[in-house]
Amino acid sequence: ETGVTQTPRHLVMGMTNKKSLKCEQHLGHNAMYWYKQSAKKPLELMFVYSLEERVENNSVPSRFSPECPNSSHLFLHLHTLQPEDSALYLCASSQGQGALNIQYFGAGTRLSVL
Amino acid sequence: LAKTTQPISMDSYEGQEVNITCSHNNIATNDYITWYQQFPSQGPRFIIQGYKTKVTNEVASLFIPADRKSSTLSLPRVSLSDTAVYYCLVGDGSGGSYIPTFGRGTSLIVHP
Repeated sequence: ETGVTQTPRHLVMGMTNKKSLKCEQHLGHNAMYWYKQSAKKPLELMFVYSLEERVENNSVPSRFSPECPNSSHLFLHLHTLQPEDSALYLCASSQGQGALNIQYFGAGTRLSVL
Repeated sequence: LAKTTQPISMDSYEGQEVNITCSHNNIATNDYITWYQQFPSQGPRFIIQGYKTKVTNEVASLFIPADRKSSTLSLPRVSLSDTAVYYCLVGDGSGGSYIPTFGRGTSLIVHP
C-alpha cells in the first residue's frame, strides 16, 4: 500500500466511449502526475500538477484531458481513444516537485481500447 | 536535464551481489540521483537517493564517485523477488521545474 489509489484497475473501452480514470492520494502531497506505460516502453510522463495547477503537459493528444479538483484527487478523462492508447496508466504523487521529492505510485489502470 | 545511460538488462543468481551502474556525464551541481524499482504491471517504487559518496539503507547501497558522473546501485544477496526493472533518475533537488524522466531502465533477472 503506497498511499496512492487508482480506480479502476482494469478498463476496456471502445473507441467512441468516454471514461475517466481516478487517482487519490492520502499522503498530503502537493504534486500529482499521470504516466503512460506501453508494452516494453519506458514510462512516459503525460501531465504534472503542482498545487492543483498544471505545470507540464508533454504534448499529449487532446483526447486525454486531466483534471485536478484538489490536491488529493486527479482524474484523466478519456474520449475517442485509439487502439494504440492501450497501456498501463500510472498515477503518482510527491510532496513537492524537485528531484528530492520521492514519487509514490499507484498500482495503475490497465486500459484496453478496442 | 541530465541524461542517464544504464545497461538494458542484467542477469544474476540468487545470493549474489548485483551492481547496476548509471552514467550521467552532464550532472549539474544541484542534481540528486534517485533509483526506483518496478515489478511487472505495478508502479515504480523508490529504492534509494543520494548526492555524493555512499548511501545505504535496508534495501540497497548507492555509490557515487567524487566526479558524480556515474552512480552504482548495489543490491546485496539478491533473491528471485528482486527480478524487476531498475531506473536511475537525475534531477534538480530543489527545482520546481524538475520533470522526472524514467528512461528504459535496467531489467534485472535473478535466476535460481
